[in-house]
Amino acid sequence: GQQLNQSPQSMFIQEGEDVSMNCTSSSIFNTWLWYKQDPGEGPVLLIALYKAGELTSNGRLTAQFGITRKDSFLNISASIPSDVGIYFCAGPLIQGAQKLVFGQGTRLTINP
Amino acid sequence: NAGVTQTPKFQVLKTGQSMTLQCAQDMNHEYMSWYRQDPGMGLRLIHYSVGAGITDQGEVPNGYNVSRSTTEDFPLRLLSAAPSQTSVYFCASRRRGNYGYTFGSGTRLTVV
Repeated sequence: GQQLNQSPQSMFIQEGEDVSMNCTSSSIFNTWLWYKQDPGEGPVLLIALYKAGELTSNGRLTAQFGITRKDSFLNISASIPSDVGIYFCAGPLIQGAQKLVFGQGTRLTINP
Repeated sequence: NAGVTQTPKFQVLKTGQSMTLQCAQDMNHEYMSWYRQDPGMGLRLIHYSVGAGITDQGEVPNGYNVSRSTTEDFPLRLLSAAPSQTSVYFCASRRRGNYGYTFGSGTRLTVV
């Protein structure tokens, strides 16, 4: 079953605001991935994290691999309209690294 | 490179019908997977393959078959379609050692 819990499930913000979302698990993960899905498209990889405590940026996006290895965070600074979409966290199960599990997603809506 | 190509983009089936969802990638990726996406559920793994001739079950394999005769292709077969299989299906591929999957644009399937 579902092993990754994302929060919040949806966000409604104003353009220019910063965004924070997180992903937690009862299991330890050795890798955390953050994807974005635009309407009618498949998810696209934004950031990959491979080490506990790691902080990685991709433009206005910053993601962190939690110290406990059971959580991860994604921040978006100065949001713009093209940031609209669904953001997913994902990670490979340790016992079956080929199996990538996904959170249920955070839907971001931006008011111009 | 076309990346991951899925066909068809849309399909309507009657209960009990069978069909094959096609997936092809031109990146010479060893690993390929099929996911289904349902509202509020994130993406759930159906079947995956770590190379030609090798497949295994994911989280929700019942009602689906796969085969991997070549590195490039990974078709998903619905044996006897049921309304519960109404969903958006995504094929994805990745290179061994890199957990970042590349996704296709999806097939939206409706079973009536």
